[in-house]
Amino acid sequence: QVQLVESGGGVVQPGRSLRLSCAASGFTFNNYAMYWVRQTPGKGLEWVAVITYDESVKYYADSVKGRFTVSRDNSKNTLYLQLNSLRTEDTAVYYCARDRDRYQYGYPCDHWGQGTLVTVSS
Amino acid sequence: EIVMTQSPVTLSVSPGERATLSCRASQSVGSNLAWYQQKPGQAPRLLIYYTSTRTTGSPARFSGSRSGTDFTFTISSLQSEDFAVYYCQQYNEWPLTFGGGTKVEIK
Repeated sequence: QVQLVESGGGVVQPGRSLRLSCAASGFTFNNYAMYWVRQTPGKGLEWVAVITYDESVKYYADSVKGRFTVSRDNSKNTLYLQLNSLRTEDTAVYYCARDRDRYQYGYPCDHWGQGTLVTVSS
Repeated sequence: EIVMTQSPVTLSVSPGERATLSCRASQSVGSNLAWYQQKPGQAPRLLIYYTSTRTTGSPARFSGSRSGTDFTFTISSLQSEDFAVYYCQQYNEWPLTFGGGTKVEIK
């Protein structure tokens, strides 16, 4: 079955960096666009970034553009999110998720990981 | 950015009753609207996409409809496992945006 397992979260000071990973299994990883979505108690669900199956397209939310970088290693079935210049408002649970349509992007996410908590605090 | 507004914030319903949740888009999203269910400590689960298409495994008591930029999610007869938070999401244009959620609680 499809499994997505995030890791890399933790407590970090403002201005520092963190790298999240998402290990995928149970499907052909290099056929699907992948997303990062975050959730905070105050702002609910917020889409963060998307990367197409072949890395040809990457989009970011304005709130993270220029600070976060999404990437993938199809040989390792792993999705990444590099978080730089972290701010307190980046505190959230970060989920990786899979597009429901093969080879497409911009569609709903039909499988989600369990999330990893990032806390930005001094 | 398209703003998705859900109402009510909280809906108190008795088991076996019908629940109707609303989601309004600030501009046209066509039929590119999805509904998710989230239970405490869990990730969101996709229930419906393209306004009214249920995913595999989504119970038949769940349905969706659209009138212009107003979308409705209906649970025909609430079961105990349906008490959760429900989110709508538009995927018509970037950035993809979610509504603030409706919590369906036991009355």
